Amino acid sequence: QKEVEQDPGPLSVPEGAIVSLNCTYSNSAFQYFMWYRQYSRKGPELLMYTYSSGNKEDGRFTAQVDKSSKYISLFIRDSQPSDSATYLCAMSEADSGAGSYQLTFGKGTKLSVIP
Amino acid sequence: NAGVMQNPRHLVRRRGQEARLRCSPMKGHSHVYWYRQLPEEGLKFMVYLQKENIIDESGMPKERFSAEFPKEGPSILRIQQVVRGDSAAYFCASSLNMNTEAFFGQGTRLTVV
Repeated sequence: QKEVEQDPGPLSVPEGAIVSLNCTYSNSAFQYFMWYRQYSRKGPELLMYTYSSGNKEDGRFTAQVDKSSKYISLFIRDSQPSDSATYLCAMSEADSGAGSYQLTFGKGTKLSVIP
Repeated sequence: NAGVMQNPRHLVRRRGQEARLRCSPMKGHSHVYWYRQLPEEGLKFMVYLQKENIIDESGMPKERFSAEFPKEGPSILRIQQVVRGDSAAYFCASSLNMNTEAFFGQGTRLTVV
C-alpha cells in the first residue's frame, strides 16, 4: 500500500462547479498537509497548508483534514477555467513545518474546468 | 526577484552519458531540495542540501547519482551513465529554512535515448 493515495482523474467539471479533490494516507506520523497546483510543464506552487485536523479557508479554496480517517480534501468553489491544472496533495511528519523537506506527494489529480 | 531557476529546461542524453542539472535558488535561500517526477508517478524526494553540505540524501539512488551545493554557484544534480529509467522531470526547490515554504523551479525534463 502506497503511503499517499490520490485518484489521478482526469476530472472534468463545468465552470462554476464545486470541485472536491481527495487524498488518503497510511502514515500516522504525518502532521502537515499541503495542496500544490501544477500547471502543465511548470513547477508545483503551494496553494494551502494545514496542520493537524480541521478546516482552513482561503478565498475559493478550503482544505480539510480528518486525521482519524487519514483523509484530506481540497474544495474549490466557483471553479474557473484558470483552475485547470494538476492538483497534488503532499504531507510531512512533525517538525517539518511547511517546508519541502521530505514531503510525500500523491500522484496528482488532473482537473479541467470547462467554460 | 527571480524565482528558482533551473537549467536546462530540457536535456536529451544518450544511454551511458552524463547529465548535469543546475538549480539556482531564490535570492537569500540557502536550503535546496531535489525531487524527481517519473511518468505517471508523484514527486519523490531525492536530496536536501545546504550550502556545502548534504543534509539528507536518503531518497537518492546509491549509484550514479550525486548532488552538491557549493559555496558559490548553483546546486548541481549529476547523473552518471544515464539509463532509460532516468528519464523524468527533475524539480529543485529552495527555502529560507527547513520549516518555511519552499518554492519550486520549473523543472528539467531529462530524456534518455
